[in-house]
Amino acid sequence: GQNIDQPTEMTATEGAIVQINCTYQTSGFNGLFWYQQHAGEAPTFLSYNVLDGLEEKGRFSSFLSRSKGYSYLLLKELQMKDSASYLCAVMDSNYQLIWGAGTKLIIKP
Amino acid sequence: GAVVSQHPSWVICKSGTSVKIECRSLDFQATTMFWYRQFPKQSLMLMATSNEGSKATYEQGVEKDKFLINHASLTLSTLTVTSAHPEDSSFYICSARTSGRDTGELFFGEGSRLTVL
Repeated sequence: GQNIDQPTEMTATEGAIVQINCTYQTSGFNGLFWYQQHAGEAPTFLSYNVLDGLEEKGRFSSFLSRSKGYSYLLLKELQMKDSASYLCAVMDSNYQLIWGAGTKLIIKP
Repeated sequence: GAVVSQHPSWVICKSGTSVKIECRSLDFQATTMFWYRQFPKQSLMLMATSNEGSKATYEQGVEKDKFLINHASLTLSTLTVTSAHPEDSSFYICSARTSGRDTGELFFGEGSRLTVL
């Protein structure tokens, strides 16, 4: 079966760095996405990785290793507004998105 | 970025009534739109894939006759929850893809929170 695993919840301190991991097992691979979702709101796109390596976009970076079925989202200089759920999603061989359950990130002052 | 507008944001209805939710792509043509539902503290669950001018493709376990999807134009898809019951109370979200299916980014509507009394 297809499976996306990510931690349920993480806590970090304002100004610090946090890494949210995602491992996946899917039928084929056509890219991995990270979305941010604040409570009660729709997800917003953060990143898309289809090749191995690190993609940097401001305070957020996303890494992919296809051979390991592994990705992480790195958030630097954490701000209180970064408190949200972070969803990992993989596009399979049928171009369907398989969603992880999300990681709730709690930022403390 | 591309804008997807969803309406209404909040809806409360009585059990047994039908509710229609609209999803519009405001500045691009969306040949494919997706409908999700999300229960509290859970991930997005794909309900159906809506293709312009054709019947929607429903995920396993989603009742076609209960969740009617119409994608009559390249900028509008609608989801109608028929004969709604309290267990249908959920957060419904639509999304649209702007280009070829292998390029990825989905743009989401604001979501519609349905409460069935």
